[in-house]
Amino acid sequence: AQSVAQPEDQVNVAEGNPLTVKCTYSVSGNPYLFWYVQYPNRGLQFLLKYITGDNLVKGSYGFEAEFNKSQTSFHLKKPSALVSDSALYFCAVRDPSNDYKLSFGAGTTVTVRA
Amino acid sequence: AAGVIQSPRHLIKEKRETATLKCYPIPRHDTVYWYQQGPGQDPQFLISFYEKMQSDKGSIPDRFSAQQFSDYHSELNMSSLELGDSALYFCASSLGSGTDTQYFGPGTRLTVL
Repeated sequence: AQSVAQPEDQVNVAEGNPLTVKCTYSVSGNPYLFWYVQYPNRGLQFLLKYITGDNLVKGSYGFEAEFNKSQTSFHLKKPSALVSDSALYFCAVRDPSNDYKLSFGAGTTVTVRA
Repeated sequence: AAGVIQSPRHLIKEKRETATLKCYPIPRHDTVYWYQQGPGQDPQFLISFYEKMQSDKGSIPDRFSAQQFSDYHSELNMSSLELGDSALYFCASSLGSGTDTQYFGPGTRLTVL
C-alpha cells in the first residue's frame, strides 16, 4: 500500500523568507510524487512532480522539491515566499506498479504574513 | 489552455435522492479519475477510467456508479444519498495512465440535507 505523511498541519512564514513544506512517503516500488496546491473553494492545482531523473524538480510559481530516496522524502521549497502563496498544499504519491490512483497526504496549510 | 470542466459546480439534494455529476476532461485526455474530499480532509480516490474501461477502484460506495463515454466525458451517479456524502467531488484527467500528471477540475460541491 502507498501512503504519504505531511507532518505539519500548518506552516507560518514571513514574506520573503524561505518556505518548506515537508512530505514523506511509503510505497513498495519506485514512487511517482506530486505536489498540488488548493486555494479556498477551488480545485487542486498541479505544482510539480518527480518521476525519475534529477532529484531536484522545479515547478510552477518558483516552487521546487527535492526527492530523497534514502529518507523517503519529497519536501516542497520556495526560496522567497509571497503572501499569495498562502494556501493548502497536498503531497501525493502513486505506485505505478500497482495502480493509477493518487494517495494524498493530509495537507499543510501555509500562511505567509506580510 | 483548456481545463477539466465539471458540472454542476454546486448541488443540493435531500437524503435518499439521486445525483449525477459530470466531468469533461481536457481535450485528448483519455483517462478520468474521481475523488471525494470531505470537509477538512484530503481527497480520497473513488474510481478511474481509461479508454472507457474501469481502470482502478477505490473506496467507492456500492450506491455510487460511474462510467466513461465515447467522447471521454464521465459521469458519477450517486443514489440513496446520505448526509455523509456531502463533500467536494473532484474529477481529474490525464493523457494515458503512465507518468502523465492528473489535472483536476474545480470540483462539484454536493450538499445533502
